[in-house]
Amino acid sequence: NAGVTQTPKFRVLKTGQSMTLLCAQDMNHEYMYWYRQDPGMGLRLIHYSVGEGTTAKGEVPDGYNVSRLKKQNFLLGLESAAPSQTSVYFCASRTSGGQETQYFGPGTRLLVL
Amino acid sequence: QKEVEQDPGPLSVPEGAIVSLNCTYSNSAFQYFMWYRQYSRKGPELLMYTYSSGNKEDGRFTAQVDKSSKYISLFIRDSQPSDSATYLCAMKYASGGSYIPTFGRGTSLIVHP
Repeated sequence: NAGVTQTPKFRVLKTGQSMTLLCAQDMNHEYMYWYRQDPGMGLRLIHYSVGEGTTAKGEVPDGYNVSRLKKQNFLLGLESAAPSQTSVYFCASRTSGGQETQYFGPGTRLLVL
Repeated sequence: QKEVEQDPGPLSVPEGAIVSLNCTYSNSAFQYFMWYRQYSRKGPELLMYTYSSGNKEDGRFTAQVDKSSKYISLFIRDSQPSDSATYLCAMKYASGGSYIPTFGRGTSLIVHP
């Protein structure tokens, strides 16, 4: 049971390049989330999904797109990277019912030059 | 003004001290309160989860909620160097569905030997 995994761990992009961050969970969770974390800003929600085939915007969605084609995977895309998107990106998934605990992945560090 | 306010610190204490970490919030509808611990270069992990007002204890950790003052606290007794991390509070106003927790910015704690 790997929990939540994220690929890649670290990436450097040039302004204007595109990339996709992959999040995978093996806990059969319905809900999945993408956050970004910047110094002094805490965790900010980018997009989230309440089930396979669904996505919704969070607090800071501009410049990002997401897809949830399979229940276990949640992809975050940057179509044209900007320096303002330099951040640490965390994926999370959560249980439904009970404590509804969010389980976080280890993070992807992205540097946009 | 953010819905959840948390002093970023850093808070530096000697080993064995009692640590008090706090968050204030403005939305009186919040009912579920959480504390996450985040080690450097890792994802957050759930530490404590409480519903409504009162105290909850788990080993050296005690979570306290005062809804009348819109104030939550996390106390760490007999603090250890291994407790050095960033502590994020989070809260949400409902259970079930797609309700998203609101995170504080996190407080950096340093416990020195």
